[in-house]
Amino acid sequence: GESVGLHLPTLSVQEGDNSIINCAYSNSASDYFIWYKQESGKGPQFIIDIRSNMDKRQGQRVTVLLNKTVKHLSLQIAATQPGDSAVYFCAENMEGGSYIPTFGRGTSLIVHP
Amino acid sequence: DTGVSQDPRHKITKRGQNVTFRCDPISEHNRLYWYRQTLGQGPEFLTYFQNEAQLEKSRLLSDRFSAERPKGSFSTLEIQRTEQGDSAMYLCASSFSFRNEQFFGPGTRLTVL
Repeated sequence: GESVGLHLPTLSVQEGDNSIINCAYSNSASDYFIWYKQESGKGPQFIIDIRSNMDKRQGQRVTVLLNKTVKHLSLQIAATQPGDSAVYFCAENMEGGSYIPTFGRGTSLIVHP
Repeated sequence: DTGVSQDPRHKITKRGQNVTFRCDPISEHNRLYWYRQTLGQGPEFLTYFQNEAQLEKSRLLSDRFSAERPKGSFSTLEIQRTEQGDSAMYLCASSFSFRNEQFFGPGTRLTVL
């Protein structure tokens, strides 16, 4: 299940389950959104992005959903694997500017074999 | 490996000392970004360069911080008179100016004693 810890919200799942990581963004003017994965000791790694003219985008095993009405993003990971264990950040941005994303707080995903 | 590299990976220093970090971006990328990340938080933007020009600086970048990218390739971030509050992971990222996707380096973890 999902819980809010002292530092990071944590989602624990079993290998093979589907995972859903949620994110609320703050700026209604943001029109571009990115999900990053950060493994321990590494920098963030781009997973998938979505523009505000879309409400869903699919990648390999990942799907991002965007609800602009409530300023909410989610990242769905299908058939979660132990290698998916990491901290996941959503980031919001405005296209056509300096491409400086504003990162959310992050969610720690723990996949149990 | 043709990704973003950072040096050193770890730095321990005493309060009041100066430190300098280096970032080597992906060679074709003309934009270079510096971020700071503390435990449990997403990266916070510090500054970015397009080629050798420093185009934007965050208010987080106090007078003790300076960044350069003299030839539009590698960049250095210097922190003068370090304080314990400077302890963090310093991340570098690079991108093309016409693309949103940023590629992050592994970071330099700074500990100020």
